[in-house]
Amino acid sequence: DTEVTQTPKHLVMGMTNKKSLKCEQHMGHRAMYWYKQKAKKPPELMFVYSYEKLSINESVPSRFSPECPNSSLLNLHLHALQPEDSALYLCASSQVDLGIRGNQPQHFGDGTRLSIL
Amino acid sequence: SQQGEEDPQALSIQEGENATMNCSYKTSINNLQWYRQNSGRGLVHLILIRSNEREKHSGRLRVTLDTSKKSSSLLITASRAADTASYFCATDASFYGNNRLAFGKGNQVVVIP
Repeated sequence: DTEVTQTPKHLVMGMTNKKSLKCEQHMGHRAMYWYKQKAKKPPELMFVYSYEKLSINESVPSRFSPECPNSSLLNLHLHALQPEDSALYLCASSQVDLGIRGNQPQHFGDGTRLSIL
Repeated sequence: SQQGEEDPQALSIQEGENATMNCSYKTSINNLQWYRQNSGRGLVHLILIRSNEREKHSGRLRVTLDTSKKSSSLLITASRAADTASYFCATDASFYGNNRLAFGKGNQVVVIP
């Protein structure tokens, strides 16, 4: 079992639907991440939250909208997605990188497998 | 842009054999990490090696780091079927740290029972 919980595990949605992906961790981590992963490729960073504030947006289209309601929860709101957005969406958390010691190990959930019809 | 880049190879080995995979990167780093991803699962952190370390062990894993060559290797000894997975290296994307990891392309390892 992973310490980062993602729901749902699978999601099929049409291009006009609105849905949300959810992520929860109780490790006290103050950095949380969303990644997109295509088959046989490495994860691609989408967003980073540090102390509940958005610190990195990797030029992600506005049809993806992140939200961090509190230090344990991370949401990704989806609207008007395209077929090419079909992928595995991974959430991760870590201690905040203080810069001197380098990036901290990230703990990943098992992802949401998203299919856009 | 991704800094960690493994040699793009898929390994197929017999159970009990050793598996070695490599990673190269382009800029100065604070540390380098290795992750494993089993099919259909999330990534699992395996080991972190700091820029001032040359070698690190964790169970059956041995990681080396050569900062002069900007490269790292991961050795899995006495492989098991459960080691079948994709393995990614990841480096700091910014030396001064901003919680951004740069993942390599990944190596797929198949261990045949």
